[in-house]
Amino acid sequence: AQSVAQPEDQVNVAEGNPLTVKCTYSVSGNPYLFWYVQYPNRGLQFLLKYITGDNLVKGSYGFEAEFNKSQTSFHLKKPSALVSDSALYFCAVRPVWGSARQLTFGSGTQLTVLP
Amino acid sequence: NAGVTQTPKFQVLKTGQSMTLQCAQDMNHNSMYWYRQDPGMGLRLIYYSASEGTTDKGEVPNGYNVSRLNKREFSLRLESAAPSQTSVYFCASSEAAGAYQETQYFGPGTRLLVL
Repeated sequence: AQSVAQPEDQVNVAEGNPLTVKCTYSVSGNPYLFWYVQYPNRGLQFLLKYITGDNLVKGSYGFEAEFNKSQTSFHLKKPSALVSDSALYFCAVRPVWGSARQLTFGSGTQLTVLP
Repeated sequence: NAGVTQTPKFQVLKTGQSMTLQCAQDMNHNSMYWYRQDPGMGLRLIYYSASEGTTDKGEVPNGYNVSRLNKREFSLRLESAAPSQTSVYFCASSEAAGAYQETQYFGPGTRLLVL
């Protein structure tokens, strides 16, 4: 069965500093990997995804993520954080092959950007 | 283009009462999903519908039923609500059934409190 670990429940960073939100995964075979963001009292919004090809994926709002197959990681990064980036971030995985259509989510990381 | 809409936004039930959560999408998507979100647990899939006329169980289907009314609408029913079903419920949709890399689009959620 596939799984996702987000080892940090909370990440605090000062505005203007780089941010990293960590994600590791376990899946049979190759993965499709996703990052979603949730603002208070809102649904999840898609940020970016890794399908194949370049290990560095660029997404919305200046976010990017790096796929590392050997470390089974897909960390979310941004060079310069904004206060408006404060939100709950979810990593998700599904296998490339197989009958499972289920997207498995991590438990989420609350990012707080301090002014 | 409203995307994914959910009704109601908030509901309070007494134990044993029944209710139906409604979801509709206007993106002509084939697949639709129901998730529940609980603190520290991320999102867990309750049921999904890969295409009109089909439904399948997800990770946590017990106590729920679903109906894919047509291509646009996917409802979730609680026949006899229990306090353990207190949660935030999200509906999502995606474009292509069987395309494992497809992005899911989420509604704003329904907050359910069962007393």
